Amino acid sequence: NAGVTQTPKFRILKIGQSMTLQCTQDMNHNYMYWYRQDPGMGLKLIYYSVGAGITDKGEVPNGYNVSRSTTEDFPLRLELAAPSQTSVYFCASIAGVVTGSFYNSPLHFGNGTRLTVT
Amino acid sequence: AQTVTQSQPEMSVQEAETVTLSCTYDTSESDYYLFWYKQPPSRQMILVIRQEAYKQQNATENRFSVNFQKAAKSFSLKISDSQLGDAAMYFCAQESGNKLVFGAGTILRVKS
Repeated sequence: NAGVTQTPKFRILKIGQSMTLQCTQDMNHNYMYWYRQDPGMGLKLIYYSVGAGITDKGEVPNGYNVSRSTTEDFPLRLELAAPSQTSVYFCASIAGVVTGSFYNSPLHFGNGTRLTVT
Repeated sequence: AQTVTQSQPEMSVQEAETVTLSCTYDTSESDYYLFWYKQPPSRQMILVIRQEAYKQQNATENRFSVNFQKAAKSFSLKISDSQLGDAAMYFCAQESGNKLVFGAGTILRVKS
């Protein structure tokens, strides 16, 4: 039972480099999310997707891009890495969202990617 | 936009004692859902307890219970008989449309 899988687990980037954080889920979930967690802080929503081909901005989208070409995959792209993007990134998914859906079917999280930009 | 506030950055409790973590939120909705998540050092996010706003009865899951005060928009988590394994970061969250909004978290330390 793989659930939500994120790769890599750790990465160090130099300022200005680019990279893609991978996220895949095998539960046929329609809704997927990218959150970032700064040290000692809560989770901030970067981008989310309600299905293949549909993406939307969250609270902190600047400096990131996403795509959703398949139901399973939701990669997060950093084009020009900056120190402010040093964080732990979490991908999450849920089957579908109508009122109360997070109550009836808890959000599934990946184990996170720790990214350091120096 | 919905906001979730956790005013206690860090709390400590003696093993076997009881501790309460605070959470307040802001919403204009009349029906909504609230959650507490636990994040141990492994970084895994674990759902601890959930509450439907239209239910007046406070949710309970074994040693975990909530004190839900709808008028005050308050949703505190009580952990009874604290155990070493309870040490973690705890996040309060509110369902907002098609996403969850999280608070900043409270680090709970358990002393033996």
